[in-house]
Amino acid sequence: GQQVMQIPQYQHVQEGEDFTTYCNSSTTLSNIQWYKQRPGGHPVFLIQLVKSGEVKKQKRLTFQFGEAKKNSSLHITATQTTDVGTYFCAGWENTGTASKLTFGTGTRLQVTL
Amino acid sequence: NAGVTQTPKFQVLKTGQSMTLQCAQDMNHEYMSWYRQDPGMGLRLIHYSVGAGITDQGEVPNGYNVSRSTTEDFPLRLLSAAPSQTSVYFCASSYYQGAYGYTFGSGTRLTVV
Repeated sequence: GQQVMQIPQYQHVQEGEDFTTYCNSSTTLSNIQWYKQRPGGHPVFLIQLVKSGEVKKQKRLTFQFGEAKKNSSLHITATQTTDVGTYFCAGWENTGTASKLTFGTGTRLQVTL
Repeated sequence: NAGVTQTPKFQVLKTGQSMTLQCAQDMNHEYMSWYRQDPGMGLRLIHYSVGAGITDQGEVPNGYNVSRSTTEDFPLRLLSAAPSQTSVYFCASSYYQGAYGYTFGSGTRLTVV
């Protein structure tokens, strides 16, 4: 079945440093979604990427979808303490007969001053 | 808009007890789903529904039942609670399975002793 892997599992950065998390799928995806979960909170939808090679930006966050639609990345420029949380990717595979959104295991980001 | 409302927020059960986790959404979303979140395991799909009267199993359905009699409500029933069901449970909804971002409820933290 479809597997979605995320690396790293955990990253600790100093405020102001950049951060990147990577998401890799075992199958070609129809789209990929990214979510953020603050400690003790629930996942919150950030963005969806659909097209091969697509790049989208939200302020300091840059999301990329690979050319083969099997990988994605989230890059945060100049992290702030408000960026603390776990970032999940979720890959949507729609084969017509079956469709499935599979979440990655997440990357936990810790930011210290 | 309330979004997705889950009750209760916390629950302690004894092994063998049954209970129902409630989930309601007011966004007229067709798709609703239940996930459990365990440390290091990400979000795993338990059951989902693509519309009123239609439900299907996810990745980890054993020990859980669902029903969808209305568009708004999607309760999750634990038949006979086991310690392995200690987890945080999230309900999520979307306009359409996988093609739009999911809105998550705030979660139910369940402990089975």
